[in-house]
Amino acid sequence: DTAVSQTPKYLVTQMGNDKSIKCEQNLGHDTMYWYKQDSKKFLKIMFSYNNKELIINETVPNRFSPKSPDKAHLNLHINSLELGDSAVYFCASEDRTRTYEQYFGPGTRLTVT
Amino acid sequence: QKEVEQNSGPLSVPEGAIASLNCTYSDRGSQSFFWYRQYSGKSPELIMFIYSNGDKEDGRFTAQLNKASQYVSLLIRDSQPSDSATYLCAVRTRNAGNMLTFGGGTRLMVKP
Repeated sequence: DTAVSQTPKYLVTQMGNDKSIKCEQNLGHDTMYWYKQDSKKFLKIMFSYNNKELIINETVPNRFSPKSPDKAHLNLHINSLELGDSAVYFCASEDRTRTYEQYFGPGTRLTVT
Repeated sequence: QKEVEQNSGPLSVPEGAIASLNCTYSDRGSQSFFWYRQYSGKSPELIMFIYSNGDKEDGRFTAQLNKASQYVSLLIRDSQPSDSATYLCAVRTRNAGNMLTFGGGTRLMVKP
């Protein structure tokens, strides 16, 4: 019954590769996010989608491309991976009907070697 | 100046004591304030949110908001070792497109 799920949980890959992370929420929310948490635990927003449309695109390299096939899914594709991309990536879903609470997925730990 | 600032800690308190976690923010137009708890290797989970000046209590947790001073705090009464985690303050700011801006977190250690 996981509310926000992400796959894979761990991803180890080499520099230059292309990889994707998938996110799904079953909460019925219209808004979803991708966050990056670096080794210093700073949680920084990358993208936000509302009802399949991009509403926030923070300053991230264009090697990162989000895609939302429907409002329950928000995937993240990363091209030409670099060492600095190593981090934990969290997907989150937001309830904008009441309290604007965000619910986070379990995270994907990406290690680029 | 960072938009949302927290002391990184660690803040060490003995079991049973009150832990006080503080957060300041720079945008006076900020509308809502959230406290998340993050255990090591896990995702952030929402503990409390507060919109209005004053105190809001939920069990052992109390959130305090002072918009004039741009200050929000979280008090944890009767701290337990299981409260040991990183606590993230998040602020919803109009200047940031109404999205959440997180502080760097304060690591809390509750010693038995």
